[in-house]
Amino acid sequence: EVQLVESGGGLVQPGRSLKLSCAASGFTFSNYYMAWVRQAPKKGLEWVATISTSGSRTYYPDSVKGRFTISRDNAKSSLYLQMNSLKSEDTATYYCARHHSLFDYWGQGVMVTVSS
Amino acid sequence: DVVMTQTPVSLSVSLGGQVSISCRSSQSLVHNNGNTYLSWYLQKPGQSPQLLIYKVSNRFSGISDRFSGSGSGTDFTLKISRVEPDDLGVYYCGQGTQYPLTFGSGTKLEIK
Repeated sequence: EVQLVESGGGLVQPGRSLKLSCAASGFTFSNYYMAWVRQAPKKGLEWVATISTSGSRTYYPDSVKGRFTISRDNAKSSLYLQMNSLKSEDTATYYCARHHSLFDYWGQGVMVTVSS
Repeated sequence: DVVMTQTPVSLSVSLGGQVSISCRSSQSLVHNNGNTYLSWYLQKPGQSPQLLIYKVSNRFSGISDRFSGSGSGTDFTLKISRVEPDDLGVYYCGQGTQYPLTFGSGTKLEIK
């Protein structure tokens, strides 16, 4: 059974940093692209980042480019999202998802609140 | 960026009825490799999104045949037949053809 479990969320002040983690199991992690998708309170889905199988390629929308960094550790079957210079508009539930031109499995999500 | 426009914003249906949700993209979703990466997701209340349909019309593992997808190019439709109580939630279309990946704004399905 594919499982994705996020951790690392919480309350953080504007301008500070936070790192999210996602522990994957039930599939060969190193064979899949992985992604982060977020959802602001009462809002829709927004793709945040994607990383290739080896980690050599990463993709971001303009809204987070230069502030967020996606990475992975295939030996640990883990995905990460380093978020710097956080803004109030980054407040959202962040989902880890397996990605191959679609998102077929999602984690339960972790809440990030950016507020002073 | 590809803008995904979903209609309607919400709809109400009786149990056993049928509904259609429209999703239109601002650009063709046909990839250079010939595939069309249009997916549909359902987010039930309090849950994570789940994949229903991928590449326009392919049902994901375990998804009922009451869900069907169709369309091409820039115009796509999700149909739900014989609606059941467990179908309620917000439906999103999403494109995986080009970066940045984008989603529609969602359609909320309510049961009468």
